[in-house]
Amino acid sequence: LAKTTQPISMDSYEGQEVNITCSHNNIATNDYITWYQQFPSQGPRFIIQGYKTKVTNEVASLFIPADRKSSTLSLPRVSLSDTAVYYCLVGDKGDSWGKLQFGAGTQVVVTP
Amino acid sequence: GAVVSQHPSRVICKSGTSVKIECRSLDFQATTMFWYRQFPKKSLMLMATSNEGSKATYEQGVEKDKFLINHASLTLSTLTVTSAHPEDSSFYICSARDPKGSYTFGSGTRLTVV
Repeated sequence: LAKTTQPISMDSYEGQEVNITCSHNNIATNDYITWYQQFPSQGPRFIIQGYKTKVTNEVASLFIPADRKSSTLSLPRVSLSDTAVYYCLVGDKGDSWGKLQFGAGTQVVVTP
Repeated sequence: GAVVSQHPSRVICKSGTSVKIECRSLDFQATTMFWYRQFPKKSLMLMATSNEGSKATYEQGVEKDKFLINHASLTLSTLTVTSAHPEDSSFYICSARDPKGSYTFGSGTRLTVV
């Protein structure tokens, strides 16, 4: 199972773009990269998932270089409500995905 | 999108009693669900894999007699914390694989044992 490394924390101001990079050097061919957001006392919420290049949805963008050994979650124009912990997970889409161990995640704090 | 409902959201119980937490996939069937535990300011720790119609698979160090898991139907898994003690106080979260292949999490259950 691919191990991931993320920064422990990031601070930002409202309206700025926040980019969180996750390293996953031993990512396997069948692995996808998935990002979750978690607010205090709530379960993680799916943000975005990708395999290669770039994926964009209404919430965020995910940039994956050709070697796939890292990925960057981009949150455009953050607001105070984006203060949360963000987790990067790497694994295939089979049932074994659920056994993936969550890393420490990245605590993003957005201030006025 | 896919929804996983977890109930109750918070519960307080006395030491020595048992508490049951339910995890339901509302609009899809889930043959496999997962249960996690999360301590304050810590990451999620996988406790066990709940398999419909068969025994759960527990992670190393998780007491199966303490944390009973039942997955009696394709939409419901339950976690029962038996003979709860204050050290069992924690945030418990379930997840299930949705039809798109992603995993949807429940909203979590805050258990406080007094």
